[in-house]
Order: sequence, then C-alpha cells, then structure tokens
Amino acid sequence: EPEVTQTPSHQVTQMGQEVILRCVPISNHLYFYWYRQILGQKVEFLVSFYNNEISEKSEIFDDQFSVERPDGSNFTLKIRSTKLEDSAMYFCATRGNEQFFGPGTRLTVL
Amino acid sequence: EDKVVQSPLSLVVHEGDTVTLNCSYEVTNFRSLLWYKQEKKAPTFLFMLTSSGIEKKSGRLSSILDKKELSSILNITATQTGDSAIYLCAVDRFTGTASKLTFGTGTRLQVTL
Repeated sequence: EPEVTQTPSHQVTQMGQEVILRCVPISNHLYFYWYRQILGQKVEFLVSFYNNEISEKSEIFDDQFSVERPDGSNFTLKIRSTKLEDSAMYFCATRGNEQFFGPGTRLTVL
Repeated sequence: EDKVVQSPLSLVVHEGDTVTLNCSYEVTNFRSLLWYKQEKKAPTFLFMLTSSGIEKKSGRLSSILDKKELSSILNITATQTGDSAIYLCAVDRFTGTASKLTFGTGTRLQVTL
C-alpha cells in the first residue's frame, strides 16, 4: 500500500537555526499539506500546496516558514530561524480523495 | 472560524464494550468529515463521510454523518485493547484549489481487560 514518508523522524536543533523537514508524497497525489501538533494539543493546519504554489496558509505559517517541491518528488518545509515554540510533531499529508498522513518529524528546539 | 468539537474527551471501557464517539462541527464550504486513529504518532485514516445518513463500516468500526445536525458518530463494537488510541475527527472544506482539515481535540479511548 502506498504511503507518505518523512525524514528525519526526529530533529534536535538550537534556537535560531534553520531546519528542513522532508516528505515524499504518495506518487499520484497532487495536493500536499503540512500540519503540526504541539505535545498534548490538537493537530493544526499550516499550509496547503498545489500545482507548485501555496493554496492556503494559516496564521501560524509566517515569514519564517516556507515550502517547496524542489525536484518533483520531495516536498519540504523550511523553518528559517527556529524558536522554542516551534517544538512539535510536524506531519506531511497528501490527498488523492482523502488525506493520508506521514509518520511525522518530531522537532525539538533547545 | 471553523470549529470541530469532540466528546467525550476521554473514555475508559472494558474489553467487549461498545463505545460511541461524537463529533460536531461548524464549517463553511463543507467537503467531507474524516475520522482518524492516532496511536503513537501519525493519524491513520479510518473513514471519510460526505453524504448524510450513509453508514461507513469497517469490521467493528462504523460511522455515520448527519449533515442536518452537523455531526457524526463513530461506533466501535466489541472493543479490544488494541482499540486504545486517540480518535480524531476532522472536517475538510474547500479552499479554492485545495482543501484543508480542521481537527477536533480528539477522544482518548482506553480499553482495559
């Protein structure tokens, strides 16, 4: 069964550093998403991406965040200057008919 | 602002019991309602519901949508310890070209022996 994959599974970084989280979507899916879940809280929408551009972004997705699909397969989320409050699980999701989630990247900002 | 409310927040049952989890929503441009199971990490897809009154069923799990009441229920019969998880309800709405999910806080289900 096709699945969404994400790397790394866990990333530890210092405050102010840049991180790139990677996702490989299900191959025939056209819509891509990033969500985050702070420990103990609900899953929150960050951004949707279609046809190589952002479709919608939440108020969380400020100028520190960016997404791209650099090589037609990977879908990346970049956080330019991480803050302590960026510590969370970051989930990539892709949609054919329904949204399927990847296993997540746990980001810890120290 | 889109809103998804789940109840109860948590539930402890004995193996073999039947449980009903509730989800109500307020959203513009409704597309579908989805149920996910979250164990240790990622939400895993259970059901997607788009039409009112039609039951979706998979083994011991079933779900139904009531678009008039803006709500859905997820039933689990003959619960097993492996059903212990957080069950997430999410509403998908159209946002121009794509869509986005708004999640509830989840119902934490614990099934004991």
